[in-house]
Amino acid sequence: ETGVTQSPTHLIKTRGQQVTLRCSSQSGHNTVSWYQQALGQGPQFIFQYYREEENGRGNFPPRFSGLQFPNYSSELNVNALELDDSALYLCASSSGTLPNEQFFGPGTRLTVL
Amino acid sequence: AQSVTQLDSQVPVFEEAPVELRCNYSSSVSVYLFWYVQYPNQGLQLLLKYLSGSTLVESINGFEAEFNKSQTSFHLRKPSVHISDTAEYFCAVMKPGGYQKVTFGTGTKLQVIP
Repeated sequence: ETGVTQSPTHLIKTRGQQVTLRCSSQSGHNTVSWYQQALGQGPQFIFQYYREEENGRGNFPPRFSGLQFPNYSSELNVNALELDDSALYLCASSSGTLPNEQFFGPGTRLTVL
Repeated sequence: AQSVTQLDSQVPVFEEAPVELRCNYSSSVSVYLFWYVQYPNQGLQLLLKYLSGSTLVESINGFEAEFNKSQTSFHLRKPSVHISDTAEYFCAVMKPGGYQKVTFGTGTKLQVIP
């Protein structure tokens, strides 16, 4: 059984560019959540996907969008990057039958210059 | 809405000494409570969780936390810390039902001093 994986590990972009981050959920998990962790802060909930549908969203603007695929992997897309988007982006997967525990990937470190 | 307050941003402690990391939460409904640990340059790992039942929960590596409903607290304790416990610890809450949004505190950095 493989855990949650994320790619790429690190990424450097410039303001105004667009970025796509990827996440493969743990085997058997149908729910994926994305979090943004700024330096020195706790993770902040961006949104969650359940069976390919967004079913919850935090206080992030529409330029943060996502997808979930039939195999339950997921993408996080951020348009019009801003300096404040620099952060560690964490993906977490969970099972619809066990809603109480999320398994986190190692994260993608995004730097916006 | 739920919120989590971790009162200490950094806690230095000598090796083999006891430690307590404090966590208070605010919620108008019952919540699930979690402690996560994050080692440098890594993602989060679940340390322990309280869902219901016994208010004292334990992890496999010697940490324990006690749910106190009257004080809305979920403090994390360990009677004797090791160098390998140096990490950042996050307290978190989740409202049962609906979508699984986890609300995290700002974290406490535990620095174990040899």
